[in-house]
This record gives sequence, structure tokens and C-alpha cells, in this order.
Amino acid sequence: DAMVIQNPRYQVTQFGKPVTLSCSQTLNHNVMYWYQQKSSQAPKLLFHYYDKDFNNEADTPDNFQSRRPNTSFCFLDIRSPGLGDAAMYLCATSRDERAGGQIRNEQFFGPGTRLTVL
Amino acid sequence: AQSVTQLDSQVPVFEEAPVELRCNYSSSVSVYLFWYVQYPNQGLQLLLKYLSGSTLVKGINGFEAEFNKSQTSFHLRKPSVHISDTAEYFCAVTRRNSGNTPLVFGKGTRLSVIA
Repeated sequence: DAMVIQNPRYQVTQFGKPVTLSCSQTLNHNVMYWYQQKSSQAPKLLFHYYDKDFNNEADTPDNFQSRRPNTSFCFLDIRSPGLGDAAMYLCATSRDERAGGQIRNEQFFGPGTRLTVL
Repeated sequence: AQSVTQLDSQVPVFEEAPVELRCNYSSSVSVYLFWYVQYPNQGLQLLLKYLSGSTLVKGINGFEAEFNKSQTSFHLRKPSVHISDTAEYFCAVTRRNSGNTPLVFGKGTRLSVIA
């Protein structure tokens, strides 16, 4: 089945130690997103790739970076994790396609990676 | 810019009772509307979406929602809930006809179904 895969599902890192989270998709979608979700809060968009074009949200800290080496993979790099970066990180994908003159933006989410910072 | 308000942060309901989770949105342009469900330690799963056409939208797991443009609402309903419906529910909005405009989420409503 086509899907969005995130690895690892659980990640523990130390304060200040760089960490990379991985997302892959078999949907062949051209848009990929990274969200941060803290406990009991809504997902907050960090950035997204539209094809190869990187779009950073204005309030995303510089500590967060992303790479998309090809259509299928996207990585979230946290250069110096702080205690406040502990959260669930969700990857999502969508296809920008026209159907009947409308653009659809349904997003498909992966299961998430729960990051713990010690 | 768009915004979403989910009026109830928590909704407890007895099993087999009906439930309504409320969602209101604000936007100066036409929008698409979505409801997502999130089970503990999992990602978001799409329940249903309104893109155009009939204002009553049916989704998975017996849920439905009605788009009301005049009241800028998109409330989620289920006539009879099950224990397995216990989860967090998020309403979301995005601009119509803008392929890569990100979703704007509400803060979520935690549905607790009581046996």
C-alpha cells in the first residue's frame, strides 16, 4: 500500500546533540511537510517542500533545517535540540493536482516520530 | 489568513450516544475544510473533507459533517459513538485553489467515549 513512513518512531537525544528524523513516501506526491506537535496541541507547520522549492514558516527557529534529496525522502535536522523541542514530529505529503479546475490539498500523514530530549 | 476555532477542548459522551464536535473557521477567501482524527501516539488520519458540491459530507467510521457557509461552520457528527472513537479530532482549513497552501489546524477536541 502507498504510504508515508517515518523513522524512527521514537527518538531520544541529549540536550544539544544533533538529531535527524526521516520521512519517506511511496505516494509520489510532489509536496512534503514537516509539523511539530507538542502535547495536547495542534500540529504546527515548520516548513514544506513544493517539489524542490523549500518554504520556511516565518516563526520556525533556525535550529530546524530540512533536506529533500529526491521526491521520496525528506529529512528534518535539529542542530542543537533543547528541552523545548521535545514533541511529536509529523511528516505529511500532498499532490498539487487539478481536477475539474480545482486544486486539491488533501494531506496524508505519517505515524510521527516522538522526540525526547534529555 | 485563515483560522479555525474548535469550541470544545474535551467532549465526554456515553457509548452509543450521538456526538457533535464543533468547528468554526474564519477566512476572507473560499476554503477547503477537513476533519482529521488522531489516536494516541499516531499520526493524523483523514475522516472527511469538503471541497465543493453537497454541503453534507460523509466520511469514514460513520462520521459526517455539514458545511454551513453563512455560519462559517463545519461541525462533525456521529449518530452513535463507540469506545474505539476515543481520540483527538482536529478541524483544518486551507485556501481553495492554492495547491501548496498549508493546512491551518484548530486546537483539537478530545472525544472520550464512556462505556
